[in-house]
Order: sequence, then structure tokens, then C-alpha cells
Amino acid sequence: QKEVEQDPGPLSVPEGAIVSLNCTYSNSAFQYFMWYRQYSRKGPELLMYTYSSGNKEDGRFTAQVDKSSKYISLFIRDSQPSDSATYLCASPTRDNAGNMLTFGGGTRLMVKP
Amino acid sequence: DAGVIQSPRHEVTEMGQEVTLRCKPISGHDYLFWYRQTMMRGLELLIYFNNNVPIDDSGMPEDRFSAKMPNASFSTLKIQPSEPRDSAVYFCASRTGVGYGYTFGSGTRLTVV
Repeated sequence: QKEVEQDPGPLSVPEGAIVSLNCTYSNSAFQYFMWYRQYSRKGPELLMYTYSSGNKEDGRFTAQVDKSSKYISLFIRDSQPSDSATYLCASPTRDNAGNMLTFGGGTRLMVKP
Repeated sequence: DAGVIQSPRHEVTEMGQEVTLRCKPISGHDYLFWYRQTMMRGLELLIYFNNNVPIDDSGMPEDRFSAKMPNASFSTLKIQPSEPRDSAVYFCASRTGVGYGYTFGSGTRLTVV
């Protein structure tokens, strides 16, 4: 079992839809979780990070962690075509200093105008 | 700030040849990471440095891979000899010691034929 897993998609939604992207992780000791966005032929860029359980909101984006089920979610409200990208979840699986991130395989999102 | 700069952007080489990938981290960032991304395996951490010192190279796949950081503004990843299975996008990333945000470069797309 991979330490961090995602459905690869692609996920196709109409503009304006609410998008839910999900990730599962295997080790209950993981404490920090990040979401990265990667546009085609670019490097990943950090969207949000969250600690432990609960929600964190930043504009149209909300990150949610459910430690009881080892489930991480990213919600995008009022999705835009510019949100079309691959979304990767990550966690520092070997140290909590964040120096060794393990990434999920990524979910490709397509937002249709 | 120019961000993390990688060169070359694309490299095509023949099997058996030596390949050197280069990275200039963001000034003031004291951590530097080399990742490899493939469709099959996703993003994998190869090695990371702190203050120019290699800290963990457990992700380096074979002795054919080596990485150096002679000073705070330059790092190289070398593959010698290269093999077709080394074909991937290689990313360099850097961060400060505070927080969890890595900044990735745009990557080097390596094709070994």
C-alpha cells in the first residue's frame, strides 16, 4: 500500500461547479498535509497546508483533514477553467520537520467553460 | 525573485552518456531537494541538502546517480551512465527552515534513447 494515495482521474466538471479532490494516507502518525497544484509542464506549487484535523479555508479553496478515517480533501468552490491542473496531496511521512515530502500520484482536474 | 532555476529544460541523450542537471535555489533558502516525476511512480524524492550538506540520499535509485551542492547557490544531479529507464522529469525545489512550502523549479525533461 502506498503511503499517500489519490484517484488519478481525470475529473471533468463544468465551470462554477464545486470540486472535491480526495486523498488517503496509511499512517496515523502523519500530522501535516499539503495540497500542491501542478499545471502542465510546470513544477508543483503549494496551495495550502494544514495540520492535524479540521478545516482550513483560503479564498475558494478549503482543505479538510479527517484523521479518524485518514482522509484528506480539497474543495474548490466556483471552479474556473484556470483551475484545470493536476492536484497533488503530500505529507512529510518520514519526519515532521517537513523535509521529506511523500506525494500522492495526483488527480487531474479539467474545468470546462 | 527569479524562483528556482533549472537547466537545461529539455535534454535528449543516448544511452550510456553522462547527463548533468543543474539547479539554482532561491537565495536564502537553506534546503534543496531533487525529485523525479514519472507517470508510473509519480513524484519521488531522490536526495535533499541542508546548508549544502547531503542529509538523506535514500531515494537515489542507483550508484549511477550522484548529487552535489558545492555552494548555497548551485547544485547538480549527475547520471552516469544514463539508461532509458532514467527518462523522467527531474525537479529541484528549495525552502527555508521555517514552514513547509517548497518552491519547485520548472523541471528538466530528460529523455534517454
